[in-house]
Amino acid sequence: AQKITQTQPGMFVQEKEAVTLDCTYDTSDQSYGLFWYKQPSSGEMIFLIYQGSYDEQNATEGRYSLNFQKARKSANLVISASQLGDSAMYFCAMREAHPETSGSRLTFGEGTQLTVNP
Amino acid sequence: DVKVTQSSRYLVKRTGEKVFLECVQDMDHENMFWYRQDPGLGLRLIYFSYDVKMKEKGDIPEGYSVSREKKERFSLILESASTNQTSMYLCASRRGQSRWSNQPQHFGDGTRLSIL
Repeated sequence: AQKITQTQPGMFVQEKEAVTLDCTYDTSDQSYGLFWYKQPSSGEMIFLIYQGSYDEQNATEGRYSLNFQKARKSANLVISASQLGDSAMYFCAMREAHPETSGSRLTFGEGTQLTVNP
Repeated sequence: DVKVTQSSRYLVKRTGEKVFLECVQDMDHENMFWYRQDPGLGLRLIYFSYDVKMKEKGDIPEGYSVSREKKERFSLILESASTNQTSMYLCASRRGQSRWSNQPQHFGDGTRLSIL
């Protein structure tokens, strides 16, 4: 079974600074995918960024980048130039192929609550 | 934009009631999912469906069932609600039937369910 670990229950960062949110994973699959989601206090889950296990380049989407270290099994999210609106819960998730069907599912970590201070 | 709509934002029910949570997506996605979210536990998968009338158990299916009679609708049923099912419930959908898909799941706004 796959497992996702986010070791930082809470993180604080000053506005305009960069912050790294940690995510480690455990899988025996060779092909897998890693996703990051943001959940503001309003509750909706917002997809941020995706990294495939065979992608050679680290994924980037605007101010979000993914520091993917395959040998260490880590997929840390880096947010550059933090904004007050970045305050939210952040979840790391891994795609897991279903063994008996053509489907796949996500396994989520416990989340990191990020607070951006003015 | 993908729209995933959950029928209720807040719901209060009594112990022993049969509870229906409805989810509708408007993008013809093949896959749909039900999660519950509890503080400190992240999102846990209850059931998912990768096609009409198909369903697969997730990590915590006990006490729940699902129905997918039409592609756009995925219903979660609490057969006999109990207080330990008080939680936030999130529905999601995803395009594509490949098990290696890089498509993200798109989520509804959630239903905060209280069982008294």
